[in-house]
Amino acid sequence: GAVVSQHPSWVICKSGTSVKIECRSLDFQATTMFWYRQFPKQSLMLMATSNEGSKATYEQGVEKDKFLINHASLTLSTLTVTSAHPEDSSFYICSARDPGGGGYTFGSGTRLTVV
Amino acid sequence: EDQVTQSPEALRLQEGESSSLNCSYTVSGLRGLFWYRQDPGKGPEFLFTLYSAGEEKEKERLKATLTKKESFLHITAPKPEDSATYLCAVQAGSGNTGKLIFGQGTTLQVKP
Repeated sequence: GAVVSQHPSWVICKSGTSVKIECRSLDFQATTMFWYRQFPKQSLMLMATSNEGSKATYEQGVEKDKFLINHASLTLSTLTVTSAHPEDSSFYICSARDPGGGGYTFGSGTRLTVV
Repeated sequence: EDQVTQSPEALRLQEGESSSLNCSYTVSGLRGLFWYRQDPGKGPEFLFTLYSAGEEKEKERLKATLTKKESFLHITAPKPEDSATYLCAVQAGSGNTGKLIFGQGTTLQVKP
């Protein structure tokens, strides 16, 4: 099935700095990718939909200036957490639709810890 | 408002003890119901997609079923390696948004 690669798998950053997370679709093109956030003991919440060549669509309550999304190619979407604060510490996961009909494939996730 | 509720929150089984996980949903126009398995610290792993009431899908010890209001994930003779959190998600509405709404998950522990 389709594979989505996410990098890094974990990152620790200082409060006030920015962190970039990459999400790549391997062996298939993804015009749309999705970014989720998962807090401990909670389920996944969609943050935004990343569209290749156009602006991302953000869910209600998600600050677009804080969570910058860039989808510059058909295989790469990036999420940049700007001016990170401890409350941004979470598990960030990206996904894309499996063109083979296998549902939505998820990356392995990125554990962000802001200290 | 579209909503997905899973029960129970946690389930402990002995190896070989079959059981079912429930996913109840309220959505405006179901376009697909998805089951995922998530291990700690990892992204969800796709299991099944169901599209219409009456549909069933199987994979090894797992079987997913769908009605107009809920889905069940049946686990037959589970093994310790089946221990994980099982997530249910729905895709609803018109258009091709691809947005999934997830339930809270059921954490399954299978003891040897």
